Amino acid sequence: AQSVTQLDSQVPVFEEAPVELRCNYSSSVSVYLFWYVQYPNQGLQLLLKYLSGSTLVKGINGFEAEFNKSQTSFHLRKPSVHISDTAEYFCAVSETGANNLLFGTGTRLTVIP
Amino acid sequence: DTAVSQTPKYLVTQMGNDKSIKCEQNLGHDTMYWYKQDSKKFLKIMFSYNNKELIINETVPNRFSPKSPDKAHLNLHINSLELGDSAVYFCASSQDQGPSGYTFGSGTRLTVV
Repeated sequence: AQSVTQLDSQVPVFEEAPVELRCNYSSSVSVYLFWYVQYPNQGLQLLLKYLSGSTLVKGINGFEAEFNKSQTSFHLRKPSVHISDTAEYFCAVSETGANNLLFGTGTRLTVIP
Repeated sequence: DTAVSQTPKYLVTQMGNDKSIKCEQNLGHDTMYWYKQDSKKFLKIMFSYNNKELIINETVPNRFSPKSPDKAHLNLHINSLELGDSAVYFCASSQDQGPSGYTFGSGTRLTVV
């Protein structure tokens, strides 16, 4: 069975500082990995995804994530955050060929002016 | 044009009532989903339909019944509503059962009083 763990439920960070949101997964088969962002009172928007190939994935809004197979991690990073990045961030995993996206419990990123 | 649209956006109703939430996607996707997000922001899949066929039916009370009249629509009907049904319900769609990621609607906030 697969699982997704987001290690931090809340991450406060000052504006223009770097941030890393951590995500670990477990699965007995190969997986696809995703990060979604949810702004207040809105739906989920895809930030980036890893399907195969280069382990460093670049997404929208200056975010990037690195797939590390040996550590079963897919951490999300941004070198300099803005106030507008304040939101809930969800890591998700899908086993290849499966029809189900399993979400982590989310990380609340709060950017402090 | 909204890619995945849900109606209504807010729904307040009394215990014991029956209600429906509608979802439509204009992306030409083959697969549609219903997810439930609880008060702690945890997202869990409820149902998945591919070309009007039920694929995933997680452990959901049988008071919840999805209906897909065509591949562009997936409605959710809930009978005998209970307090514990209060949550945000998200509809989503995908083209290829996973790899490209999902497109989510903006959610329906259901409050049962």
